[in-house]
Amino acid sequence: DAKTTQPPSMDCAEGRAANLPCNHSTISGNEYVYWYRQIHSQGPQYIIHGLKNNETNEMASLIITEDRKSSTLILPHATLRDTAVYYCIVRVDSSYKLIFGSGTRLLVRP
Amino acid sequence: DTEVTQTPKHLVMGMTNKKSLKCEQHMGHRAMYWYKQKAKKPPELMFVYSYEKLSINESVPSRFSPECPNSSLLNLHLHALQPEDSALYLCASSRLPGGATDTQYFGPGTRLTVL
Repeated sequence: DAKTTQPPSMDCAEGRAANLPCNHSTISGNEYVYWYRQIHSQGPQYIIHGLKNNETNEMASLIITEDRKSSTLILPHATLRDTAVYYCIVRVDSSYKLIFGSGTRLLVRP
Repeated sequence: DTEVTQTPKHLVMGMTNKKSLKCEQHMGHRAMYWYKQKAKKPPELMFVYSYEKLSINESVPSRFSPECPNSSLLNLHLHALQPEDSALYLCASSRLPGGATDTQYFGPGTRLTVL
C-alpha cells in the first residue's frame, strides 16, 4: 500500500473551513484514498473515501488532485467536536488492511 | 446503523489472568477485525475474520486467541499477557471481506491495562 504524509498538527477557528492535506505521491491506479478520524480515546470514525473524483457527503468533502498524488479533506464549518486526529489512508483494492499513518491532530479553536 | 459494540469498556488484569474481550455487530457484516492501538500510536491490524473463518493473523503472539462464534460476534481471549500488551483494543466490521470500497466501521474499543 502506498505511504501517506500528513502534517502532524493543524488548527482552525470554529465555524471556518478546515482543510487537511495528505500527500500520497506513490499511489497506484487501483488504490483508494480513505479518511478516518479518531476523537480522543474513541474508535476511529469513517469520514469519506474516493478513487479519483472529488467526493462529498454530510461530513466532509474530499478533493483529489488530477495526478492523484495528493488530496485534501475539507470540513466546511468546523466545530469544537471536530477536534480529533485525522488519518489519511491509501488502500489497495484487494486488501483487507487499513494501514494507519501518524495522522494530523486537528485542534478547532473557539 | 453502523454500530459496533465492545465490552467491557475498561479491563484491568494480572499477568496470570484469563479474560475475554467481546465485539458485536448487527449490520449483517461478514468481515470482522481486531486492531491494537498503543498510546499515541495509530491502530495496527491484528486479525481478520472472513465469513467466520480466520483469514489473516498479523503474526500476533499466541497469548491472544481470537474466536468468531457466529457472524455477529467476535471475541478476543487473553491469557498470560505482559504489561506491554496494555493498549486500546479496537474491533471493526465490514460488509464483505476485502476490496477497497468495503468500508470498515469501528467500535469504541476496550482499554486494557495489564499489571
